[in-house]
Amino acid sequence: DQQVKQNSPSLSVQEGRISILNCDYTNSMFDYFLWYKKYPAEGPTFLISISSIKDKNEDGRFTVFLNKSAKHLSLHIVPSQPGDSAVYFCAATRTGTASKLTFGTGTRLQVTL
Amino acid sequence: DGGITQSPKYLFRKEGQNVTLSCEQNLNHDAMYWYRQDPGQGLRLIYYSQIVNDFQKGDIAEGYSVSREKKESFPLTVTSAQKNPTAFYLCASRRGAPNTGELFFGEGSRLTVL
Repeated sequence: DQQVKQNSPSLSVQEGRISILNCDYTNSMFDYFLWYKKYPAEGPTFLISISSIKDKNEDGRFTVFLNKSAKHLSLHIVPSQPGDSAVYFCAATRTGTASKLTFGTGTRLQVTL
Repeated sequence: DGGITQSPKYLFRKEGQNVTLSCEQNLNHDAMYWYRQDPGQGLRLIYYSQIVNDFQKGDIAEGYSVSREKKESFPLTVTSAQKNPTAFYLCASRRGAPNTGELFFGEGSRLTVL
């Protein structure tokens, strides 16, 4: 039972353009969402998060949007850079569960020159 | 430099053998976690510990054991009871409030069962 889904296994975007990575969740109890970035043979690194009381959070080139009614969130990267090429994981958790994260399967982003 | 150190980075094991993966952190974080990653899948939680001498099972704890005798250390033992142990194992610690703190991950240990 995949509670967090990333339906696009891969995405290719030209340098300078916008990258949009999508994530859907099924558990309505989730109220905090995070994005992690992972390079091969390394651990994931935290990128950005959003609480369910917000619908948008921005940090530099990265913006996360949350649509609670659709149980959908997206990560926008503008402008995309070659160093952004990595696997991006969406994760979700429920308040009071000791930050036990449920991860999606990841989307591999390739930023081309 | 503060961080999480996992060792060994690569490990080979014969079937039927137990193996212990080390995880040490010097970030002074209270909570620590073990996740497993398989190809094409997300990270799945094996065990987590919020304080010393206390730990809880995650979603896939069968065939694994942990201890938390020191704040800095959270070793994971993959026992012979784990049916499919070949995977990439990630240790993490938590910064911030228990409800919203993001996790800091180590670089992982890749276990291969021969």
